[in-house]
Amino acid sequence: NAGVTQTPKFQVLKTGQSMTLQCAQDMNHEYMSWYRQDPGMGLRLIHYSVGAGITDQGEVPNGYNVSRSTTEDFPLRLLSAAPSQTSVYFCASSLTGRLNYGYTFGSGTRLTVV
Amino acid sequence: AQKVTQAQTEISVVEKEDVTLDCVYETRDTTYYLFWYKQPPSGELVFLIRRNSFDEQNEISGRYSWNFQKSTSSFNFTITASQVVDSAVYFCALSEPSLYNTDKLIFGTGTRLQVFP
Repeated sequence: NAGVTQTPKFQVLKTGQSMTLQCAQDMNHEYMSWYRQDPGMGLRLIHYSVGAGITDQGEVPNGYNVSRSTTEDFPLRLLSAAPSQTSVYFCASSLTGRLNYGYTFGSGTRLTVV
Repeated sequence: AQKVTQAQTEISVVEKEDVTLDCVYETRDTTYYLFWYKQPPSGELVFLIRRNSFDEQNEISGRYSWNFQKSTSSFNFTITASQVVDSAVYFCALSEPSLYNTDKLIFGTGTRLQVFP
């Protein structure tokens, strides 16, 4: 039982490059989400999904795309990376998305855009 | 909108001291959840506690205790007899209703605790 797996753990990108941050869970959770963590700002919600084919924006969605084709995977795409996207990214999943079930967080991806 | 305030940016203590991390929240909801997470230097988020708004009982888990007071909208976290391994960033978070009958987490900005030997 791996929980929530994020890859890669570290990544350096040049401005304008694209990449996909991977998130996979093996707990059959319907709800998956992406947060970014910036110094002095806590964690902020980027996008979330309540099941295959259903996604919605969070607090800071600009510059990111998501899609959910399977229950297990919820990739986060940066189409044209910018230095402002330098951050630590966390994926989280939950059985239903209601917080009485809590969240399971991945171990994070540290992204640097130069 | 919901808001979580952790006014203490950084706290330094010497081992075996008690330390309290403050968390003040704002919400218009009557049903909500409050959380504390620990982020050690390795970077992962470690879940510590979840408390729902209808349960105001204080909770103790070993050296950790939590004081939830709805009257002051506070959910403070105390570490008794701190240890070097307690050095981390601690986040307080609050649930906020979202679309599709889900909740999202609103995080505070975190308190960095340094425990010196």
